[in-house]
Amino acid sequence: GAGVSQSPSNKVTEKGKDVELRCDPISGHTALYWYRQSLGQGLEFLIYFQGNSAPDKSGLPSDRFSAERTGGSVSTLTIQRTQQEDSAVYLCASSLDFSGTGEQYFGPGTRLTVT
Amino acid sequence: AQSVTQLGSHVSVSEGALVLLRCNYSSSVPPYLFWYVQYPNQGLQLLLKYTSAATLVKGINGFEAEFKKSETSFHLTKPSAHMSDAAEYFCAVSDNNAGNMLTFGGGTRLMVKP
Repeated sequence: GAGVSQSPSNKVTEKGKDVELRCDPISGHTALYWYRQSLGQGLEFLIYFQGNSAPDKSGLPSDRFSAERTGGSVSTLTIQRTQQEDSAVYLCASSLDFSGTGEQYFGPGTRLTVT
Repeated sequence: AQSVTQLGSHVSVSEGALVLLRCNYSSSVPPYLFWYVQYPNQGLQLLLKYTSAATLVKGINGFEAEFKKSETSFHLTKPSAHMSDAAEYFCAVSDNNAGNMLTFGGGTRLMVKP
């Protein structure tokens, strides 16, 4: 079946603009995660959603970052007033459930470049 | 708080040689440990995972890892490197009590020389 998909694959934006990144998880997966991969910081957790529960936003680096998950499926990560330090690859992952043993399946990522 | 340390940001081996990628972790609770591989311009793919069953875990592509609680280590090995193993490898830990998010090490780029 289809894996995790993300769009766009690449995004170039000017500093100060808002961007939206989309993630389509694997069908039936109840947990969804966003991570950021950057040269300086490595792979960092941003936010996760589990079913209809309130998301854990503890990894979001600033209040310019927000995310939502509609209908327990598709998720959108929004970055407002982008800064150059936001340049990174944003990875989405989903897992069947919320257990710590569950494998997370990763999408190919969105490469964001802020000029 | 959990953390993961991968010793060696770059490792180079000859084709056919042993691959050893090091990972040490810290966790206040029994951890779940993972190794992921990332090929260029691709997402992360799970190689193997430790979830408190057997301490020696076998994964895909001939890789295995051994959980050693006394050493807080989860090193990844493969007896004989292949050119196709060239990639970046990430060790990660999750704490079910903290919601299953993964904490990653800094990654090790494996280069395989012919």
